[in-house]
Amino acid sequence: DVKVTQSSRYLVKRTGEKVFLECVQDMDHENMFWYRQDPGLGLRLIYFSYDVKMKEKGDIPEGYSVSREKKERFSLILESASTNQTSMYLCASSLGGRVITEQFFGPGTRLTVL
Amino acid sequence: AQKVTQAQTEISVVEKEDVTLDCVYETRDTTYYLFWYKQPPSGELVFLIRRNSFDEQNEISGRYSWNFQKSTSSFNFTITASQVVDSAVYFCALSEASTGKLIFGQGTTLQVKP
Repeated sequence: DVKVTQSSRYLVKRTGEKVFLECVQDMDHENMFWYRQDPGLGLRLIYFSYDVKMKEKGDIPEGYSVSREKKERFSLILESASTNQTSMYLCASSLGGRVITEQFFGPGTRLTVL
Repeated sequence: AQKVTQAQTEISVVEKEDVTLDCVYETRDTTYYLFWYKQPPSGELVFLIRRNSFDEQNEISGRYSWNFQKSTSSFNFTITASQVVDSAVYFCALSEASTGKLIFGQGTTLQVKP
């Protein structure tokens, strides 16, 4: 069974803290994605990666960075958390190649920044 | 620019009613993919269907059916004889073949009452 896991379901941090959100997939997928989900806005792409050590900015990369040192792991980093980064964060993965396939999602991390 | 619009924010029906969720998209690409995802209260997005732009055949899967019309740039989703377990947020998404990124609509919250 395909699996995308995220390190925490719920996280509470203080303004200015450095925050790491971890995502691991066991499907040997090339592509990995980080989204944030906010009411009324749907899911918005923060960063994505097509391969190890590769990263591309999504639609809302400001205030975030990512790391992909291994194929199965994609980390989202909030260098200095702010209250407007309180949100649900979703990680996803998909097969690489020319044909666009469905993305498989993790359970999400609900981050609260106080 | 690519865009997905789900004009219905919330829909409430009584069990056994049929319900259609609307999705309208914008893209300049001739090759693209459309998706529907379901997000139950547990939070994890579940893939429902993928359709490429060259395949306009409608699809039926049990109580679910999808109507893809390129002429109106719509990809609507119908649930027949709805059940309480269908209560969820449903997202329509567009992926252009050139980028592989998913652009999500705002989501439609479906509540099915017993």
